[in-house]
Amino acid sequence: AQSVTQLDSHVSVSEGTPVLLRCNYSSSYSPSLFWYVQHPNKGLQLLLKYTSAATLVKGINGFEAEFKKSETSFHLTKPSAHMSDAAEYFCVVKVASYDKVIFGPGTSLSVIP
Amino acid sequence: GAVVSQHPSWVICKSGTSVKIECRSLDFQATTMFWYRQFPKQSLMLMATSNEGSKATYEQGVEKDKFLINHASLTLSTLTVTSAHPEDSSFYICSASMGASNSPLHFGNGTRLTVT
Repeated sequence: AQSVTQLDSHVSVSEGTPVLLRCNYSSSYSPSLFWYVQHPNKGLQLLLKYTSAATLVKGINGFEAEFKKSETSFHLTKPSAHMSDAAEYFCVVKVASYDKVIFGPGTSLSVIP
Repeated sequence: GAVVSQHPSWVICKSGTSVKIECRSLDFQATTMFWYRQFPKQSLMLMATSNEGSKATYEQGVEKDKFLINHASLTLSTLTVTSAHPEDSSFYICSASMGASNSPLHFGNGTRLTVT
């Protein structure tokens, strides 16, 4: 069975400090992994994706994520948080063999000035 | 590229009426479109998957007669909430896929439905 876990439902950081949003997945097949961001009352915007190429993936707005197969993790990081980063973040797994997309429960990021 | 337009962005309707939400892929052909429902402070719940020219596949617990999905072309899918009730009030989001197994989903900006 496939599943996605986001270990923190809420993360709060000070502006200018690093961000770490954690994601672990479970999949019997080689998955494609994505991070999306959602601002209030908006759709989801793709931040970055991992599709079996480089394990360190760089995305938009200074975000990056590292795929670690041994840890079944795909944590999202950013060196310095900005106020505009405050939003909901979803880790998503896509299992090609099932053509199925599985969403994590989401992590709400707050940035304190 | 890969823009998905969803319309309307918000709608208020009276109980018992029907509401249609459109989802268009503007610069690509979407072989598959997905419809989600999102409750406050929760993740997205997949309602149904639609492929162009065929009937939608609904997730367990989703009433197909209440949430009518039409995917008439490779760039347009519609969700009609029939005989809406206040409990149908929610945020509905569509997404579209180009079809490749490792391609990401592209999301519309969502529709806030309020049924009074």
